[in-house]
Amino acid sequence: GQNIDQPTEMTATEGAIVQINCTYQTSGFNGLFWYQQHAGEAPTFLSYNVLDGLEEKGRFSSFLSRSKGYSYLLLKELQMKDSASYLCAVSTGSARQLTFGSGTQLTVLP
Amino acid sequence: GAGVSQSPSNKVTEKGKDVELRCDPISGHTALYWYRQSLGQGLEFLIYFQGNSAPDKSGLPSDRFSAERTGGSVSTLTIQRTQQEDSAVYLCASSPRNRAINTEAFFGQGTRLTVV
Repeated sequence: GQNIDQPTEMTATEGAIVQINCTYQTSGFNGLFWYQQHAGEAPTFLSYNVLDGLEEKGRFSSFLSRSKGYSYLLLKELQMKDSASYLCAVSTGSARQLTFGSGTQLTVLP
Repeated sequence: GAGVSQSPSNKVTEKGKDVELRCDPISGHTALYWYRQSLGQGLEFLIYFQGNSAPDKSGLPSDRFSAERTGGSVSTLTIQRTQQEDSAVYLCASSPRNRAINTEAFFGQGTRLTVV
């Protein structure tokens, strides 16, 4: 089966840096995605990793270690609008099906 | 349209009634997913369509749930004899994903189903 683990909640201060971790045990691996979901809205794509290492996109970066089954999403210079749920998702199988974790609810405080 | 469209956006139904939820994916996207999200929870996979291949129905929670995708485009998720535990937001996503590449999935706004 597929198992994806993330912390349920995190809190950080505006302007700070926060790291959201994701560990996975899946049968097969084709890549890892991070999505952001604001309350009452649909998830939106943030980043994608398929090779080990760090992918940087502005204030957001994502890291992957395939041997450890581990990824993190790094958010820098936090803003109030970053308060949202962050979902880790793994692509598996020949059909590249996406399996999501339960999400990490991030609250940014002033 | 420009994005994934789902209808209705909200649906309130009586326990025991059947409901149909519709998803119009982005034109040209071969992959289509249905997920369910209960309040404060992550996305629960329901079913996955990829092109003309047989769908992966492994996530459907019971035989009351079924889905079809006509002409490789529009999809309908049907829930028969609805129960209160079926209350959730049902999200549809599409992707140009094929067997050779990975691309992100684009989500619709979801249908909020309430069974009373």
